[in-house]
Amino acid sequence: KAGVTQTPRYLIKTRGQQVTLSCSPISGHRSVSWYQQTPGQGLQFLFEYFSETQRNKGNFPGRFSGRQFSNSRSEMNVSTLELGDSALYLCASSLSPTAITEAFFGQGTRLTVV
Amino acid sequence: QKEVEQNSGPLSVPEGAIASLNCTYSDRVSQSFFWYRQYSGKSPELIMSIYSNGDKEDGRFTAQLNKASQYVSLLIRDSQPSDSATYLCAFRGLNYGGSQGNLIFGKGTKLSVKP
Repeated sequence: KAGVTQTPRYLIKTRGQQVTLSCSPISGHRSVSWYQQTPGQGLQFLFEYFSETQRNKGNFPGRFSGRQFSNSRSEMNVSTLELGDSALYLCASSLSPTAITEAFFGQGTRLTVV
Repeated sequence: QKEVEQNSGPLSVPEGAIASLNCTYSDRVSQSFFWYRQYSGKSPELIMSIYSNGDKEDGRFTAQLNKASQYVSLLIRDSQPSDSATYLCAFRGLNYGGSQGNLIFGKGTKLSVKP
């Protein structure tokens, strides 16, 4: 059974540009969450999608957005990149957003903004 | 503000010893708790989930949950150098409307197992 696939694995962008990251969840999983990980802040929740609807949203500016498609694949977009957006972006896949649902992470996309 | 507190470490134990990792959480009504292991430069890997008070064992790992004290721990028996990693504690909070919220992570405890 394939795991969570995130593309691309690495990205280098310039300040002011925008970027789109992709996540394909485990087959049969319908819930996708996105996290930003930095050395200082740890894992910070961005947003969660289930059945193409955003269920939860973290405390990030509107430059960060996401969506989910009917096949459960998800994308996140960051516009007007800032140096502080350099981080590891992680996608987690779950069956559904219930209390006992386990979440499994993809390999992550390492974004560097220069 | 829902939070998870973990000792950042590093926690250093000799090979073969028991490593004890601890975590406290702020959400009194949370129902689900998780431990992830993250090797340097890699993504987090789920190693244990626990939902009821008491102990849950899986191989060399034992998770312990005490909801009254809002405390969860992870014991690693017969620690191996390959266990050297950062261990992240997480819980799933509840939204104000009572629906399931997102996973909230601690900043992790770095474990070093010395041969």
